[in-house]
Amino acid sequence: EPEVTQTPSHQVTQMGQEVILRCVPISNHLYFYWYRQILGQKVEFLVSFYNNEISEKSEIFDDQFSVERPDGSNFTLKIRSTKLEDSAMYFCASSEARGSWVEQFFGPGTRLTVL
Amino acid sequence: AQSVTQLDSQVPVFEEAPVELRCNYSSSVSVYLFWYVQYPNQGLQLLLKYLSGSTLVKGINGFEAEFNKSQTSFHLRKPSVHISDTAEYFCARGDGGATNKLIFGTGTLLAVQP
Repeated sequence: EPEVTQTPSHQVTQMGQEVILRCVPISNHLYFYWYRQILGQKVEFLVSFYNNEISEKSEIFDDQFSVERPDGSNFTLKIRSTKLEDSAMYFCASSEARGSWVEQFFGPGTRLTVL
Repeated sequence: AQSVTQLDSQVPVFEEAPVELRCNYSSSVSVYLFWYVQYPNQGLQLLLKYLSGSTLVKGINGFEAEFNKSQTSFHLRKPSVHISDTAEYFCARGDGGATNKLIFGTGTLLAVQP
């Protein structure tokens, strides 16, 4: 069964460093997303991506964040200069179509710890 | 703003007992509701969804949920739980706009004890 994969499973970094979180969405899916969950808080939407551009982003997704689909399989989230408050679980998701009723398939997450 | 509330952060239950995990949502014209489960070290997996039609929705692993418009609730139930049901359960809603954004609750940890 196809699945979304994410690497690494856990990333530890120093404040101010750049990190890149990687995701491989399901191969025939066209819409890609990043969500995050700070410990004890809600899973929050960060950004959606379609046709090589951002289709929507949240207030959280400021200039420190960027997304890219560098090739036909990977989807990355870059945080340019990490802050302590960026420590969270980051989930990648993909879907084959657009719409609030369409199932999104999630990866296992990357736990980012900023020291 | 649209929201989802899961009041119970943790629900302990004995094996073979029934369980209900509560979810309430803010009312809107259209609403699409989902329950996701996250087993340890795995991704979020869809359990079931309500889009329209019958208010009782059946999902995988024996779970079901009932959409209640008057109470703005979408509680998840299982008549008899197993140890293997121990996981984090997330209620979510579709944003209803021209986007795919999901809005999640804080999650409920179902801890099944022998």
